[in-house]
Amino acid sequence: EVQLVESGGGLIEPGGSLRISCAASGFTVSDAWMNWVRQASGKGLEWIGRIRNRAGGDRTEYAAPLKDRFIISRDDLTNTLHLQMKGLEIEDTAVYYCATEGFRYGHHSHDSWGQGTLVTVSS
Amino acid sequence: QSALTQPASVSGSPGQSITISCTGTSSDIGAYNYVSWFQQHPGEARKLIIYAVSVRPSGVSNRFSGSKSGYTASLTISGLQAEDEADYYCSSYSSTSSILFGGGTKVTVL
Repeated sequence: EVQLVESGGGLIEPGGSLRISCAASGFTVSDAWMNWVRQASGKGLEWIGRIRNRAGGDRTEYAAPLKDRFIISRDDLTNTLHLQMKGLEIEDTAVYYCATEGFRYGHHSHDSWGQGTLVTVSS
Repeated sequence: QSALTQPASVSGSPGQSITISCTGTSSDIGAYNYVSWFQQHPGEARKLIIYAVSVRPSGVSNRFSGSKSGYTASLTISGLQAEDEADYYCSSYSSTSSILFGGGTKVTVL
């Protein structure tokens, strides 16, 4: 069974950096396109970016407004996805989710999701 | 404001059918058949219920159906049941290789 468990969220001051993680089980992350998506309280979902699988060259792609501050990486040894965030702003406060993309079903469908980790940016 | 537009709420009585719309542009919904729908109950992980506009993953009830016309995709829930009360989100691949999401629709079973 595919499982995704996010961790590492918490309270961070504006301008700070934070790395959150997504531990995967039931499959190998290097075989899947992996995404980060966030949701601010009372708002809709916002796509952050993805890392393609090994067959896709491990290419990373980001939402244009975030590409200079967020970095997605993957640790194949621990089967874990990471999101490194820097220059955090109050507007980055949200629940952050990892999700597979097109792994079990069609292209560009997010077929498995984690429960999310809350990142709060505040002084 | 979300990239794709969904109604904030839709309601219906048990047994009725309801439809949730998801409106995009010529660069996303209008250009690709990569529209997905998700269901989320409070405290649970988001669940994929429709992908590729109208395909149901295995195990998803056939009461859920998806369609698309022009720049608008739709999710129809037939024979509404109490367990269908949840938040529903749409998504679409876009011409910039990004994924766009809707703001979510709260379905209430009266």
